[in-house]
Amino acid sequence: DTAVSQTPKYLVTQMGNDKSIKCEQNLGHDTMYWYKQDSKKFLKIMFSYNNKELIINETVPNRFSPKSPDKAHLNLHINSLELGDSAVYFCASSQGGTAINEKLFFGSGTQLSVL
Amino acid sequence: DAKTTQPTSMDCAEGRAANLPCNHSTISGNEYVYWYRQIHSQGPQYIIHGLKNNETNEMASLIITEDRKSSTLILPHATLRDTAVYYCIALYNQGGKLIFGQGTELSVKP
Repeated sequence: DTAVSQTPKYLVTQMGNDKSIKCEQNLGHDTMYWYKQDSKKFLKIMFSYNNKELIINETVPNRFSPKSPDKAHLNLHINSLELGDSAVYFCASSQGGTAINEKLFFGSGTQLSVL
Repeated sequence: DAKTTQPTSMDCAEGRAANLPCNHSTISGNEYVYWYRQIHSQGPQYIIHGLKNNETNEMASLIITEDRKSSTLILPHATLRDTAVYYCIALYNQGGKLIFGQGTELSVKP
């Protein structure tokens, strides 16, 4: 059973389109995240949600809007896609709460290509 | 969060121990050292973390120097499946704010 699953694995789209990436975790975790890995392979946090509440928003453009219908799901919607949005997007989850040293569990990534 | 420095790449023979160094000379007293790895086309995978003492789990051992300015991740018997990019991160409250640098690309060769 996949702990953190995201769909689709590959997404190819035209500039200006709107697209969504879905993420689900079956670990019972309270906190979920979206990370972006650029072409230079640097991986950086975009958002985190704890129990459906936004905790971290790392100066991501407003075109990116996370949606958490419940604590097991965190979807990422992107409006008006731009060439620079091409990257691999990773969903992750952790137990959450007050623990300082938590493990993050990552999904296998969604490779987004904007043409 | 303390800056970490790692070699860009390393090779290791299959079955031998892989020792991956990390320098974190500006680490503060309450910052943990985390190690993750990313196998090609997969998401990062947690390996181990520690504060002061050496740590061991089923995947690896983490040796932290007494002054905490550097650490070494040890994979005791490297296999081909351990070929990956290994990231060393130092921070206090993980809170999801992991920032992955370039890491060390480990190639395990037969």
